[in-house]
Amino acid sequence: QVQLQESGPGLVKPSETLSLTCTVSGGSISGYYWSWIRQPPGNGLEWIGYIYDSGTTIYNPSLKSRVTMSVDTSMNQVSLKLSSVTAADTAVYYCARRIYGSGSYYNDFWGQGTLVTVSS
Amino acid sequence: DIQMTQSPSSLSASVGDRVTITCRASQNIASYLNWYQQKPGKAPKLLIYGASSLQSGVPSRFSGSGSGTDFTLTISSLQPEDSATFYCQQSYSTPFTFGGGTKVEIK
Repeated sequence: QVQLQESGPGLVKPSETLSLTCTVSGGSISGYYWSWIRQPPGNGLEWIGYIYDSGTTIYNPSLKSRVTMSVDTSMNQVSLKLSSVTAADTAVYYCARRIYGSGSYYNDFWGQGTLVTVSS
Repeated sequence: DIQMTQSPSSLSASVGDRVTITCRASQNIASYLNWYQQKPGKAPKLLIYGASSLQSGVPSRFSGSGSGTDFTLTISSLQPEDSATFYCQQSYSTPFTFGGGTKVEIK
């Protein structure tokens, strides 16, 4: 059973960079796409982007100028960096595995999520 | 961006009721439509992918239908553990967008 675990600081100051890591266990990172999705408290879900094991990335245009994703296959980890954060970036951040089947791409395994609060 | 509109935004139903949630895309997304269930404090859980394929381990009372722009999630017989918020998501084109959610409560 694939398991994902997000980790990183729970509090980030405005204008600084949010950095999170997603560690995958029970399976390999190789051969899959890995998504980051966030959810502001009490609100809906927002897709941030995804990365393939080769390092190919696709980002949400609304965040593209501030987002960087990377992958470390030796550690079975994917990482997310979001620069110049504001209070609007306060959210629970999820990583999820993205796969293809039955005519659709979908996220089948998700991490438990980690709350990041942007505040001074 | 493709806009995903869910209705209703919330509903209250009794155990055993048939419940239907709809999701409309602002443009044709073929069958690139997924449904997720989220309980408070938990990560979303995949229920349906490709508009109508049931994810392994998901009870058969959940079903999905539709293609193009109009989609439906149906719970054939609502159970107490189905109290949650349900989201549709399109994976046809980036940015992959979610519906606003439908909160299902048990009467």
